[in-house]
Amino acid sequence: DAKTTQPTSMDCAEGRAANLPCNHSTISGNEYVYWYRQIHSQGPQYIIHGLKNNETNEMASLIITEDRKSSTLILPHATLRDTAVYYCIVRAASGTYKYIFGTGTRLKVLA
Amino acid sequence: DAGITQSPRHKVTETGTPVTLRCHQTENHRYMYWYRQDPGHGLRLIHYSYGVKDTDKGEVSDGYSVSRSKTEDFLLTLESATSSQTSVYFCAISESEVEEYFGPGTRLTVL
Repeated sequence: DAKTTQPTSMDCAEGRAANLPCNHSTISGNEYVYWYRQIHSQGPQYIIHGLKNNETNEMASLIITEDRKSSTLILPHATLRDTAVYYCIVRAASGTYKYIFGTGTRLKVLA
Repeated sequence: DAGITQSPRHKVTETGTPVTLRCHQTENHRYMYWYRQDPGHGLRLIHYSYGVKDTDKGEVSDGYSVSRSKTEDFLLTLESATSSQTSVYFCAISESEVEEYFGPGTRLTVL
């Protein structure tokens, strides 16, 4: 599975959009991009995933570049409850579905 | 929330003693995973299961064994606990490539 690179930490003002980047330059054609987040000491929570098209759900939007070597998770209106560690993961679409987590980006939403 | 529980939630034990952590699910998902989380390392996969009695190693499997005798239970055993195995352990389940659901975690301290 391809590796990812994320900034260690980011700050965002409450109510503003939070844009979290991720580089995955060695991604393979059959690998999806997944985003999870972990709030405080809870278990990670699924946010969104995509292959090559941009995706949007009730939590966030995922923008994947045309060459698929990087992506951005967008939280459109960040709240204090969005303060968490955000993990970008790439994983094959088939097989045993196991994830390889990195250290993620620690997002702090400021009041 | 997905029906996934972990027991015990907290455990303190001594070096050299055996420890078994239990993950129980009510979702009938095929795949189950054990991760450990340590400061500076994010989540690391220990072992995973892709069916009853079908298991495989993850990134950090040394010192751990697993068993899955029925769909709903996935046991993680530390045969002889060491201080380096002090960690927070998360179980996860999944049925497809879409997402994993994580349990609440078990905090293990080995003295």
